[in-house]
Amino acid sequence: EPEVTQTPSHQVTQMGQEVILRCVPISNHLYFYWYRQILGQKVEFLVSFYNNEISEKSEIFDDQFSVERPDGSNFTLKIRSTKLEDSAMYFCASNEPGGYGYTFGSGTRLTVV
Amino acid sequence: AQSVTQLGSHVSVSEGALVLLRCNYSSSVPPYLFWYVQYPNQGLQLLLKYTSAATLVKGINGFEAEFKKSETSFHLTKPSAHMSDAAEYFCAVHRAGTASKLTFGTGTRLQVTL
Repeated sequence: EPEVTQTPSHQVTQMGQEVILRCVPISNHLYFYWYRQILGQKVEFLVSFYNNEISEKSEIFDDQFSVERPDGSNFTLKIRSTKLEDSAMYFCASNEPGGYGYTFGSGTRLTVV
Repeated sequence: AQSVTQLGSHVSVSEGALVLLRCNYSSSVPPYLFWYVQYPNQGLQLLLKYTSAATLVKGINGFEAEFKKSETSFHLTKPSAHMSDAAEYFCAVHRAGTASKLTFGTGTRLQVTL
């Protein structure tokens, strides 16, 4: 069964450093998303991406965040200057037109120290 | 806008007992509804989804859910709990027929006791 792949599975970074989280969506999907889950809390939407541009973003997704699809397969989330409160599990997801195929990756646990 | 409410942040059942996790949704347009399970320190695993076909949806691990439009509910059930079912369960919703964002509930932690 097709999978969404995320790397790395764990990342520890110092406050103020830039991090890039990587995702390989399912190959025939056209919609891509990032979500985050702070420890013990619910899963929150960050951003959706379609046709090489952001289609929707939440209030969490401020100027410190950016997304990119640099080639035909990868989808990345960049945090420019990490804060302690950015520590969370970050999930990538992809979907097909019509919304039937929502699939999540296994997540990247980001720890900011 | 869509939202889901999960009643009960913690549910405890005995092994072999019925599992019932409640989810009510709010949506001004037809919804797609999902249940995900999350084991400790792991990702989100799809249990089942409702996408406008049959209202009774069967998923993995013996779970099922029924979409009831009149009650705006999508409760998750399993006839007989197993110790391995102990996990966090999330209900989620998005607009039917679109690839819009998923909105999650706050989750229900299921505890299974001997």
